[in-house]
Amino acid sequence: AQSVSQHNHHVILSEAASLELGCNYSYGGTVNLFWYVQYPGQHLQLLLKYFSGDPLVKGIKGFEAEFIKSKFSFNLRKPSVQWSDTAEYFCAVNVMNRDDKIIFGKGTRLHILP
Amino acid sequence: EAQVTQNPRYLITVTGKKLTVTCSQNMNHEYMSWYRQDPGLGLRQIYYSMNVEVTDKGDVPEGYKVSRKEKRNFPLILESPSPNQTSLYFCASRSTWGLNTEAFFGQGTRLTVV
Repeated sequence: AQSVSQHNHHVILSEAASLELGCNYSYGGTVNLFWYVQYPGQHLQLLLKYFSGDPLVKGIKGFEAEFIKSKFSFNLRKPSVQWSDTAEYFCAVNVMNRDDKIIFGKGTRLHILP
Repeated sequence: EAQVTQNPRYLITVTGKKLTVTCSQNMNHEYMSWYRQDPGLGLRQIYYSMNVEVTDKGDVPEGYKVSRKEKRNFPLILESPSPNQTSLYFCASRSTWGLNTEAFFGQGTRLTVV
């Protein structure tokens, strides 16, 4: 069955530290890839997406992610985090088969210390 | 403004009392789905619909029903809620035209069953 794995469940960083959140998926076919962010008490918002082309994609708020097809990975990065980045981050994969479903990872809770 | 609207945002109910959570989107999207979000489990798909009168089970459909009589609406029905259905619920919609589409999420409904 298809699945999405996020390596870290809880990450604590100080402001200005660099961030990398790992995401791996298991599916050998065509996929679309997403990172969503959920700020406390809010709904999911799209941070960035990969459909095709340049495997390094840039999103909102200084986030970027790199699709490495050979590693089935789509890691999220930010060079310098801010306190306002405190949130939960979800990696998601749209499996382009009959079901056309989006599968989410279990989320990474990021806490930034001021 | 493009949006997915869920109601109610918060609901406390008693075991066995039927309830409906409504979801409506104004983007003419074909695909709609319901997720539940639980700590440590991420988002799990309950039901989805590829178009009017076409619905199918997701990963955790037990205890839920849905209907899709109109394109814009996709209500989630709990015929006899139980405490293990206490969760945060999200409705999502997206277009299925073209290969590359992203999902838009509603604000969420926090349901407590006592």
